[in-house]
Amino acid sequence: YELTQPPSVSVSPGQTARITCSGDAVARQYSYWFQQKPGQAPLLVIYKGTERPSGIPERLSGSTSGTTATLTISEVQAEDEGDYYCHSAGMFGGGTRLSVL
Amino acid sequence: QVQVQESGPGLVKPSETLSLICTVFGDSMFTKKHTWGWVRQSPGGGLEWIGSISYARGTFDNPSLKSRVTMSLDTSNNQFSLKLRSVTAADTAVYYCGRVEPAVETIDTPSAFDIWGPGTMVTVSS
Repeated sequence: YELTQPPSVSVSPGQTARITCSGDAVARQYSYWFQQKPGQAPLLVIYKGTERPSGIPERLSGSTSGTTATLTISEVQAEDEGDYYCHSAGMFGGGTRLSVL
Repeated sequence: QVQVQESGPGLVKPSETLSLICTVFGDSMFTKKHTWGWVRQSPGGGLEWIGSISYARGTFDNPSLKSRVTMSLDTSNNQFSLKLRSVTAADTAVYYCGRVEPAVETIDTPSAFDIWGPGTMVTVSS
């Protein structure tokens, strides 16, 4: 299996960012999303495709359709900048750098 | 509040064995209650799940590394360990230990961590 993400996404503050993750594994097992900032360990922000761990803002949401999982970040803030990785079936996507303009 | 911390040598010679320990801080029963594992991140940024271990259910391996990996659990000391044999420069990475998200540890590949250690850099070089 492979998981494919766009290398980068750029949005202005207050807009909505959508990061996609495509691969056969997404259709077979749960998808997860991690946020990582420089020098820090990854942080789980979505599990089981749509669930948010305690402390993760409601602005972050996950969805799945067929072989594509999507992380949606509404009302993007400067603090959302970082790298986002999808994960499914023991594999990670290559990561997407979210830039807040 | 559960926390985990990696420890081990920062430099390993090619062809030798990389050995890391992860210490679990919190309830002394935590290592028996949950599933634990290892993920590494290469200098280029890519993440790779290495494997996970559960007291009740045994080990779960990434097929790409399975032949070189041994994991064990030391519940009396609240620790678990990783050994990666025959290392090469391609094994140079930041190694993280963590806890598998409890909501999915028995219903999905146990590889998504909700708790992560700070990571430890391991360089393979002579």
